[in-house]
Amino acid sequence: KNQVEQSPQSLIILEGKNCTLQCNYTVSPFSNLRWYKQDTGRGPVSLTIMTFSENTKSNGRYTATLDADTKQSSLHITASQLSDSASYICVVSDRGSTLGRLYFGRGTQLTVWP
Amino acid sequence: EADIYQTPRYLVIGTGKKITLECSQTMGHDKMYWYQQDPGMELHLIHYSYGVNSTEKGDLSSESTVSRIRTEHFPLTLESARPSHTSQYLCASSDPGLAESSYNEQFFGPGTRLTVL
Repeated sequence: KNQVEQSPQSLIILEGKNCTLQCNYTVSPFSNLRWYKQDTGRGPVSLTIMTFSENTKSNGRYTATLDADTKQSSLHITASQLSDSASYICVVSDRGSTLGRLYFGRGTQLTVWP
Repeated sequence: EADIYQTPRYLVIGTGKKITLECSQTMGHDKMYWYQQDPGMELHLIHYSYGVNSTEKGDLSSESTVSRIRTEHFPLTLESARPSHTSQYLCASSDPGLAESSYNEQFFGPGTRLTVL
């Protein structure tokens, strides 16, 4: 069964601190993995995308890693800001369907305190 | 920023009412999707479309229906709303593109928060 598991479920950090969010998946055949940021009451917005051959991708203070062998990914946030408070969702796409089916994790709810 | 719009953003209605959630995109994307999301839960695909006059049901069973008469427009309709339909509904669109990294890139609208009393 194709699944995406994220941890922790929620996280509280102080402004300026770093944090790392984890994602494990069992989706096969694998196509790509994305991290989305979803602000409360809004739609998800893509932060990074990685294919099988990529093991790291950065977008400003966000750095994602991918280990396709162990089927694990992480999202590292550096020097957190209050605006980083949001849900971060790991999304894996399979290669096996013309639809391009996406498998969503439940997200990690990040709260940044001043 | 993606050009995909949803209206209304918030809707509170009584049981038994017929409602239509609007979704429009100006990117010319062929594929469009409707997702349902409850708080703290993952997004569930309820409908999708490959293009005009193409609609399919998704993974999660839904009493809603959709239509795709124009490329840019993908409305979702509930004929008789019930409290169990209370949820956030997200519309998305995608275009395969030429590069593998852009394949299946889905752009999401802001969502409609539906509450049925």
